[in-house]
Amino acid sequence: SAVISQKPSRDICQRGTSLTIQCQVDSQVTMMFWYRQQPGQSLTLIATANQGSEATYESGFVIDKFPISRPNLTFSTLTVSNLSPEDSSIYLCSVEDEGLTQYFGPGTRLTVL
Amino acid sequence: GEDVEQSLFLSVREGDSSVINCTYTDSSSTYLYWYKQEPGAGLQLLTYIFSNMDMKQDQRLTVLLNKKDKHLSLRIADTQTGDSAIYFCAESDSSYKLIFGSGTRLLVRP
Repeated sequence: SAVISQKPSRDICQRGTSLTIQCQVDSQVTMMFWYRQQPGQSLTLIATANQGSEATYESGFVIDKFPISRPNLTFSTLTVSNLSPEDSSIYLCSVEDEGLTQYFGPGTRLTVL
Repeated sequence: GEDVEQSLFLSVREGDSSVINCTYTDSSSTYLYWYKQEPGAGLQLLTYIFSNMDMKQDQRLTVLLNKKDKHLSLRIADTQTGDSAIYFCAESDSSYKLIFGSGTRLLVRP
């Protein structure tokens, strides 16, 4: 299975600022995904990060708020813009493995004051 | 739309078996998964089952799938305190999008 790392592991940010989260995989993967897990909740897919093209966003998520980059097959970033306390969540990236399963990174815990 | 439901909480004694249940609504589900999330950690894939199977066993874990009733269960034999975590059921069709349940918090009492 792929080994996935995320930076930062946690951060505390001020309202109105932005946070960029990095996701690094130890092998080339076609599909990378970004999820949000709000406190005490399940995971919700934000978007699919496509290499060489724009990300595909799920209903309720927009590029202006959650811009995503995917410069190569091992790396992606998610930016959470114009932060508000409602953005306090765990953000997780995942990668698809051979069309069967998804493996998740350790997550980034964001607290917005 | 698709929906996945789980009970919120389960408490068992160490050494007993745990059974975590999940129901889903999407009849086109191709794969069904169980993930484990320990406090402060990401999600760990425990096991998965194809929709054309009805059972899968992997060491202490047994997954049962009743496709007719759209019911999935995870049985953990000889439950240990290290099994205390939140367990998420998830389903997907062939589009790679995972739909997660709300998670079941398993507490293992010594």
